[in-house]
Amino acid sequence: NAGVTQTPKFQVLKTGQSMTLQCAQDMNHEYMSWYRQDPGMGLRLIHYSVGAGITDQGEVPNGYNVSRSTTEDFPLRLLSAAPSQTSVYFCASLQAGGPYEQYFGPGTRLTVT
Amino acid sequence: GENVEQHPSTLSVQEGDSAVIKCTYSDSASNYFPWYKQELGKRPQLIIDIRSNVGEKKDQRIAVTLNKTAKHFSLHITETQPEDSAVYFCAASRTDKLIFGTGTRLQVFP
Repeated sequence: NAGVTQTPKFQVLKTGQSMTLQCAQDMNHEYMSWYRQDPGMGLRLIHYSVGAGITDQGEVPNGYNVSRSTTEDFPLRLLSAAPSQTSVYFCASLQAGGPYEQYFGPGTRLTVT
Repeated sequence: GENVEQHPSTLSVQEGDSAVIKCTYSDSASNYFPWYKQELGKRPQLIIDIRSNVGEKKDQRIAVTLNKTAKHFSLHITETQPEDSAVYFCAASRTDKLIFGTGTRLQVFP
């Protein structure tokens, strides 16, 4: 199993550009989440999904869109990038009903200039 | 929604000493409390977790305690080693939406 994979690893965007961060898992986990990590701020939940076709907002959803058309994939879209979105983004998944360990992807380091 | 506070933000200890990190949560319905360790440039890794029907759990040198009444839980690391140096995060959830504390940078000096 590859676990949780994320692409790209690094990305530089200009203000106003759009892009999609990809996340995929091969563990058949129902729950998937996106977090952003900023220095001194910990991991903050952006959006999460409890299954295909179901998404909900987390703590910091503004500026981001998600969809969940399959169990495996959970892409995160930035419609118009802003410097405030410079961060490290982690995707994670866990199995509904337990065990409740959340598996993280390797992260995407995004810089918006 | 859930809010998790974590203290201290930095902690320095001598090798062999104990380290304690404390977290409080706001949502009394939260029932799952994991702790993650994150080394520089790497993804968070689960080191220990506890569910709300248990007051204490131990795994070798690490232990977690939970006080549901006071809504706080703590991570205890005994006999610290230089390789324990990392950032530690607590979190709380009702199992689907995990909310993290702001992290504690632990430095263990030889």
